[in-house]
Amino acid sequence: DAGITQSPRHKVTETGTPVTLRCHQTENHRYMYWYRQDPGHGLRLIHYSYGVKDTDKGEVSDGYSVSRSKTEDFLLTLESATSSQTSVYFCAISEAAGGVSPLHFGNGTRLTVT
Amino acid sequence: DAKTTQPTSMDCAEGRAANLPCNHSTISGNEYVYWYRQIHSQGPQYIIHGLKNNETNEMASLIITEDRKSSTLILPHATLRDTAVYYCIVTNGSNYKLTFGKGTLLTVNP
Repeated sequence: DAGITQSPRHKVTETGTPVTLRCHQTENHRYMYWYRQDPGHGLRLIHYSYGVKDTDKGEVSDGYSVSRSKTEDFLLTLESATSSQTSVYFCAISEAAGGVSPLHFGNGTRLTVT
Repeated sequence: DAKTTQPTSMDCAEGRAANLPCNHSTISGNEYVYWYRQIHSQGPQYIIHGLKNNETNEMASLIITEDRKSSTLILPHATLRDTAVYYCIVTNGSNYKLTFGKGTLLTVNP
């Protein structure tokens, strides 16, 4: 399996609090992605990164920010968590843009916002 | 990216081959066909991908029709651990925003 570690694996937080999810990879892949998965919506891209300090928005980026200061780490921050952000969050990595090479996913972070 | 159509669900007997179809009639010449699967509560897992030719790896085979408008993922000897949602995705190399549809729920029965 690709060396991808997501932390924490589970988190419960209150509405209005900031939350940071971490994705760490040991594959030295250039591209990293954050997806969320909700019943009825499938996987939806939040943000992605195509290099250190190079990030861009996905289809559901509102309320989220990301940072990538090192190749191996991609952080997803919810500045002020809302109940609609209760979801399972998956990080993914790829050697090249998602289409030329496959994505490899982490095992997810289950976030509950109460 | 081209849109894909997959059956909502399929059943397969353990030990038999599982053949999962995918229609992608609007596929472009430079678009790849990818297959992923997601076992309950886990992250999606890459299975196989191809452009024009049939492909085989240790997990599965991918058969792409000559006109590239459809493909079939074959799990040669399905086991109970192959029960999962299987996603067929068509994409080219310039699109970061892969779209995962609803996929096919494959249930392998003992």
